[in-house]
Amino acid sequence: KNEVEQSPQNLTAQEGEFITINCSYSVGISALHWLQQHPGGGIVSLFMLSSGKKKHGRLIATINIQEKHSSLHITASHPRDSAVYICAVSGQGAQKLVFGQGTRLTINP
Amino acid sequence: ETGVTQTPRHLVMGMTNKKSLKCEQHLGHNAMYWYKQSAKKPLELMFVYSLEERVENNSVPSRFSPECPNSSHLFLHLHTLQPEDSALYLCASSQDTGTGKSGYTFGSGTRLTVV
Repeated sequence: KNEVEQSPQNLTAQEGEFITINCSYSVGISALHWLQQHPGGGIVSLFMLSSGKKKHGRLIATINIQEKHSSLHITASHPRDSAVYICAVSGQGAQKLVFGQGTRLTINP
Repeated sequence: ETGVTQTPRHLVMGMTNKKSLKCEQHLGHNAMYWYKQSAKKPLELMFVYSLEERVENNSVPSRFSPECPNSSHLFLHLHTLQPEDSALYLCASSQDTGTGKSGYTFGSGTRLTVV
């Protein structure tokens, strides 16, 4: 079993729908990261959070430390949101990230 | 452009070739990383450099040889690779504070194909 599990692995939705991607982890962490990877391969950091909730535009990330669970929400989804979304955690004091397998999101017009 | 630049973007090499991947950042970060992303697998950490010292070598075969000449540059030297080494190689940097709460900046990656 991976230390970081994401669900679903693939998600297809219509433009405008509310999207939720989930991440569960089994280790103690310092922080959890949500990343976005477009087809070209480059990765963009969306959020880093260690408690509570963060919002940036149409994206919202939440984390529940007790339950070792985080969610990424996208409101009013758009085809340009189509990408792979990756959850990663950094261990306590550690200098490396452990990654989930990613969720491939496709938003159809 | 994220602030971390990787070259080349694409590389095709034979199994007997020697090539190098380059990563450059001018964000003032003190830690740099090489990650490997194979098809349908999560990203895997290869090497970590902090303050130009290698602090982690994640059981990577010796045909991959990293070099960090200064805090802004990171290389991955490749020799006698195998076809299964074909993957996307990503460089990242962060400001390591020892707390594990550093934001990461990734490059666009080098798509490597070994023939």
